[in-house]
Amino acid sequence: EVQLVESGGDLVQPGGSLRLSCAASGFTFNIVWMTWVRQAPGKGLEWVANIKQDGTEEYYVDSVKGRFTISRDNAKNSLYLQMNSLRAEDTAVYYCARVRPGYHDYWGQGTLVTVSS
Amino acid sequence: QSALTQPRSVSGSPGQSVTISCTGTSSDVGGYNSVSWYQQHPGKAPKLMIYDVTKRPSGVPDRFSGSKSGNTASLTISGLQAEDESDYYCCSYAGSYTYVFGTGTKVTVL
Repeated sequence: EVQLVESGGDLVQPGGSLRLSCAASGFTFNIVWMTWVRQAPGKGLEWVANIKQDGTEEYYVDSVKGRFTISRDNAKNSLYLQMNSLRAEDTAVYYCARVRPGYHDYWGQGTLVTVSS
Repeated sequence: QSALTQPRSVSGSPGQSVTISCTGTSSDVGGYNSVSWYQQHPGKAPKLMIYDVTKRPSGVPDRFSGSKSGNTASLTISGLQAEDESDYYCCSYAGSYTYVFGTGTKVTVL
């Protein structure tokens, strides 16, 4: 059974940093792209970042470029999102998801990041 | 990277059909056959309902169907059931390994 479990969400002050993790199981992690998608309270889904199977390529939505870094550790079947210079508008539930060509087939339950003073 | 446009809400009685539109541009919806649809119940993770415009994952009822014409994709729920009441989001590949989601539609079963 495919499972994705996010962790690391917390309350952080504006300008602060946070690292999210996503533990994957039930599939061969190192052969798939992975992604982070977020959802602000009461709002829609927003694609945030993608990472290639071997971690050599990363892609970001414009609003997080230069502040967020997606990475992965295939030996630990884990995906990460390092978030720096956090802003109030980054407040959201962050989901990790498995990427298939053109869509996202399995999602975690999400972890809440709140940016507030 | 502008969000795809969906109606805010649609509604129908049990047994009826409802259709949700998803309008983008030639750089996303119109440019690729990579439109997917997700169902999201309150407080839950999104669930894949349709991929590659028309395909249904195993376990998704066949009353859910997808289509596309030009820059607009559509999700149709036929034979609406109470458990279909949820939020629905479209998503399209937008080139250069990026994706864009729709604004979301709340489906209400009357």
